[in-house]
Amino acid sequence: GENVEQHPSTLSVQEGDSAVIKCTYSDSASNYFPWYKQELGKRPQLIIDIRSNVGEKKDQRIAVTLNKTAKHFSLHITETQPEDSAVYFCAARGPGSNTGKLIFGQGTTLQVKP
Amino acid sequence: SQTIHQWPATLVQPVGSPLSLECTVEGTSNPNLYWYRQAAGRGLQLLFYSVGIGQISSEVPQNLSASRPQDRQFILSSKKLLLSDSGFYLCAWSVWQTLSYNEQFFGPGTRLTVL
Repeated sequence: GENVEQHPSTLSVQEGDSAVIKCTYSDSASNYFPWYKQELGKRPQLIIDIRSNVGEKKDQRIAVTLNKTAKHFSLHITETQPEDSAVYFCAARGPGSNTGKLIFGQGTTLQVKP
Repeated sequence: SQTIHQWPATLVQPVGSPLSLECTVEGTSNPNLYWYRQAAGRGLQLLFYSVGIGQISSEVPQNLSASRPQDRQFILSSKKLLLSDSGFYLCAWSVWQTLSYNEQFFGPGTRLTVL
């Protein structure tokens, strides 16, 4: 089955700097890769996602890139702000099933220092 | 628009007591439904998922069970809670459509403490 590895587990940056979180997946047939942000005590919120037929997607200060050959995808946050501090989870979903199951990475705790 | 509800929001239960957590979805039909558990400071562990009424798949062996008595209702239960059952329980939903990619959305969660 699919396996998703996420790095780093913790990341500390200064406000205004960029942050990059990387995930690798094992199943080359996976075709959907969402990213979730979870603030302390809250539910995970979908912040951006990418399909396997696209190499990059941007939404204001966040972007996701996908390298299907290498089987990895990354979340890029530019001009970080203190409110970006949270736990970020990547996930992957394989094709061919109507279950919609997502396989999650272990999470990255991002701390943005003012 | 679609919304998802979970209750209760918090729960403190003694070891050995029963458990019933409820999740309901509004504004959609025939959703896929999921139960996750998140231990303190940890990742998301998929416990159960359901693609239709009465259809439950278990991802991990445990003393929990799930049921789906109605299309938009998903229930997580236990007959006897263990200390290790403490955690943040999240319900999620997605809708399967041909050639779709099934964005998955989470409910507000139930924080369970077993003492």
